[in-house]
Amino acid sequence: EAQVTQNPRYLITVTGKKLTVTCSQNMNHEYMSWYRQDPGLGLRQIYYSMNVEVTDKGDVPEGYKVSRKEKRNFPLILESPSPNQTSLYFCASSLGTGPYEQYFGPGTRLTVT
Amino acid sequence: GQQLNQSPQSMFIQEGEDVSMNCTSSSIFNTWLWYKQDPGEGPVLLIALYKAGELTSNGRLTAQFGITRKDSFLNISASIPSDVGIYFCAGFSGSARQLTFGSGTQLTVLP
Repeated sequence: EAQVTQNPRYLITVTGKKLTVTCSQNMNHEYMSWYRQDPGLGLRQIYYSMNVEVTDKGDVPEGYKVSRKEKRNFPLILESPSPNQTSLYFCASSLGTGPYEQYFGPGTRLTVT
Repeated sequence: GQQLNQSPQSMFIQEGEDVSMNCTSSSIFNTWLWYKQDPGEGPVLLIALYKAGELTSNGRLTAQFGITRKDSFLNISASIPSDVGIYFCAGFSGSARQLTFGSGTQLTVLP
């Protein structure tokens, strides 16, 4: 089944403890992206990648890192999480090098205390 | 940056009624997408539009790409309870490498 998977789905952590949220797609998509969703603010893009080893900042990249060493994986790294990074995170992918017809993962709900 | 205004923010309708929502942009887009998000899940793509004036249907859903390329509309006919959720529009200009999302329309269908 074609899908985007994220792990973990739920995470509660403490301020400053490094964490990684994994994202994987099995559709051989070129473009991958991370979003955060907050009440009243909608979906905001954190980082995106047009291909392996090609990443770029989205609208809200501060406090996040990403890497794209393989086509299928696009992990999101929070080196030193803070409470304002408490949010619902989505990974998405699309065929081609642009965000056409993005397919979203199921989401990761992160709470930083 | 680009902004998308989506309206209405929320709607309460009776089962069987038709629904309309729209998005307007301050800039021209060459792709419009409509997504639906169920509680606790990721957005699911409903309809993609690639040409000004294009009208595309997906079952009871119909979406249009405005001729000015700055707006798009989504209509749902004969609503049913499973239509409940948040509907998002998203636009892409081609020169950018990002989708711009609207703030969403929360749809509630009353029995």
